[in-house]
Amino acid sequence: DAGITQSPRHKVTETGTPVTLRCHQTENHRYMYWYRQDPGHGLRLIHYSYGVKDTDKGEVSDGYSVSRSKTEDFLLTLESATSSQTSVYFCAIRRTGRINTEAFFGQGTRLTVV
Amino acid sequence: EDKVVQSPLSLVVHEGDTVTLNCSYEVTNFRSLLWYKQEKKAPTFLFMLTSSGIEKKSGRLSSILDKKELFSILNITATQTGDSAVYLCAVEVYMEYGNKLVFGAGTILRVKS
Repeated sequence: DAGITQSPRHKVTETGTPVTLRCHQTENHRYMYWYRQDPGHGLRLIHYSYGVKDTDKGEVSDGYSVSRSKTEDFLLTLESATSSQTSVYFCAIRRTGRINTEAFFGQGTRLTVV
Repeated sequence: EDKVVQSPLSLVVHEGDTVTLNCSYEVTNFRSLLWYKQEKKAPTFLFMLTSSGIEKKSGRLSSILDKKELFSILNITATQTGDSAVYLCAVEVYMEYGNKLVFGAGTILRVKS
């Protein structure tokens, strides 16, 4: 356990509703990432953060926003959920973003949009 | 566009067999290559490779990188049912505000007893 907690672990929501997923870390790592995992696609980067209030887009950022108001929390928001956003979402942390260090993953959040 | 391709997509073997998983990549600014094992939950880290030709080993698992041909292999010898999992290959790519990991689709390994 690398000190990462995702919440909720499971969520079912209706199309068009806003949804926020939370990633909390106790490691004080600077870099945090949100990925989604879908069959046949592996893990795809949605957004990442390189510090408090510093975020940037990944390869599949449309329809998602993020916020990081303190080091330990990284929030992922789906402004208006769609069925294509049904997926498993993983948060990851890294000690640094430059020196070669591995990423540690949370347990995932399974989101179903109906 | 950065791309990581794993093969085969899935594999079924019997206990005791040796398997080789492949990962090829095409990225703009390579920094390292990582292997992860995923058993229903969070991916767990196996290896990080940065230099060509240097084998990394951990028990029955080993991996090697070829930066000239742009690929890596993960070998598992004397497979056990506990090796059944999805194996993910990721390439660390330089970005302006901190490197990102680009993942392949994964190889699903099933080891039958």
